[in-house]
Amino acid sequence: SQQGEEDPQALSIQEGENATMNCSYKTSINNLQWYRQNSGRGLVHLILIRSNEREKHSGRLRVTLDTSKKSSSLLITASRAADTASYFCATPFFNYGQNFVFGPGTRLSVLP
Amino acid sequence: NAGVTQTPKFQVLKTGQSMTLQCAQDMNHNSMYWYRQDPGMGLRLIYYSASEGTTDKGEVPNGYNVSRLNKREFSLRLESAAPSQTSVYFCASHRSGSGRDTGELFFGEGSRLTVL
Repeated sequence: SQQGEEDPQALSIQEGENATMNCSYKTSINNLQWYRQNSGRGLVHLILIRSNEREKHSGRLRVTLDTSKKSSSLLITASRAADTASYFCATPFFNYGQNFVFGPGTRLSVLP
Repeated sequence: NAGVTQTPKFQVLKTGQSMTLQCAQDMNHNSMYWYRQDPGMGLRLIYYSASEGTTDKGEVPNGYNVSRLNKREFSLRLESAAPSQTSVYFCASHRSGSGRDTGELFFGEGSRLTVL
């Protein structure tokens, strides 16, 4: 299975703190994507990092990718209560079409 | 521009009943997917359609059928619902050009199904 695994499963922090979530995967990839899911809603794409990139920023998000360790991390700086959500990494693979495998996610709670 | 639209949002079925979940996208995407989400399991792929006229099984296809009605629509059918199919179902779409594509998935808001 190519399934990514997020770590930790759950994370609780205070507003203003940084939140770091990790993702490990099993096979070679050409990119890795992070998604966010608010409670009761669908997943929304946050950021994509290509295999030839080591770090990428988008607003308060910073993603790193270490292909030698088959791992990625998502850092949310200066967290807000509105960042409370589940975060998933997804690894695309090609099998009779473009497919994606998701890990179980990290549930982030940001306390005011 | 609605993106990906799923219906119904909620459904309660009795064991053995059948139903169809509908999904439509207005982004002219080639690929469409049905996932189920269960607590602690992440999203698991049920079926996908890489292009109009094709469908393929994903990780957990048993008990489901799909139809890619046209480029916009991809439906998921439960012929004889079982309690194990209680879940939240998500439809997603992807632009998927020729070969491998690095674009993102777009998701619907989910359909919450309970089978009693």
